[in-house]
Amino acid sequence: EVQLVESGGGLVQPGRSLRLSCSASGFTFSTYSMNWVRQAPGKGLEWVSYISSSGSTIYYADSVKGRFTISRDNAKSSLFLQMNSLRDEDTAVYYCARDPGGKNGMDVWGQGTTVTVSS
Amino acid sequence: SYVLTQPPSVSVAPGQTARITCGGNNIGTKSVHWYQQKPGQAPVLVVYDDSDRPSGIPERFSGSNSGNTATLTISRVEVGDEADYYCQVWDSSSDHVVFGGGTKLTVL
Repeated sequence: EVQLVESGGGLVQPGRSLRLSCSASGFTFSTYSMNWVRQAPGKGLEWVSYISSSGSTIYYADSVKGRFTISRDNAKSSLFLQMNSLRDEDTAVYYCARDPGGKNGMDVWGQGTTVTVSS
Repeated sequence: SYVLTQPPSVSVAPGQTARITCGGNNIGTKSVHWYQQKPGQAPVLVVYDDSDRPSGIPERFSGSNSGNTATLTISRVEVGDEADYYCQVWDSSSDHVVFGGGTKLTVL
């Protein structure tokens, strides 16, 4: 079964750091690009970051550029999001999503992990 | 930056047809994807590349894209289709993924 499982969320104070993980199974992780997408409470979907299959191409939303770092370990079928200098507005459910590339959209999503930034 | 505009809500009776629009400048030149999200659940891809359906998605879900508007059409709407729907494109000018604000579909 194709599956993505996020972990690492929690309650963190403003200005602190948190590292999210996404574990993939049921498919050849190294051949897929990946995205992080977040959803603040009661709000819509917001794209956070993209990483190509090899990790050579990376993009960030303007709202997180310079604070968040996306990375991957293809040997361990894992995706990461290092979040530094966290702000109240980063409070959200964070999803990892598989990206087959081309014109295929994001075809597999994890169940999400909740990040709460609060003092 | 590229902006996608969706109506906040659409209401339809069971068995009728729901149409959810997604407006963007020359969106017809882009590949549009649609996601369904039910409360407390992760999004699910229901239409990709304007009008293609992933395996397992009912034929009742269809899409079109032309000019400045993309449309998700749900035929013979069921109570179980009640959800939030989001359109999404890739903006090559900024190298950003862009989501619409989402539309809440209510089945009366």
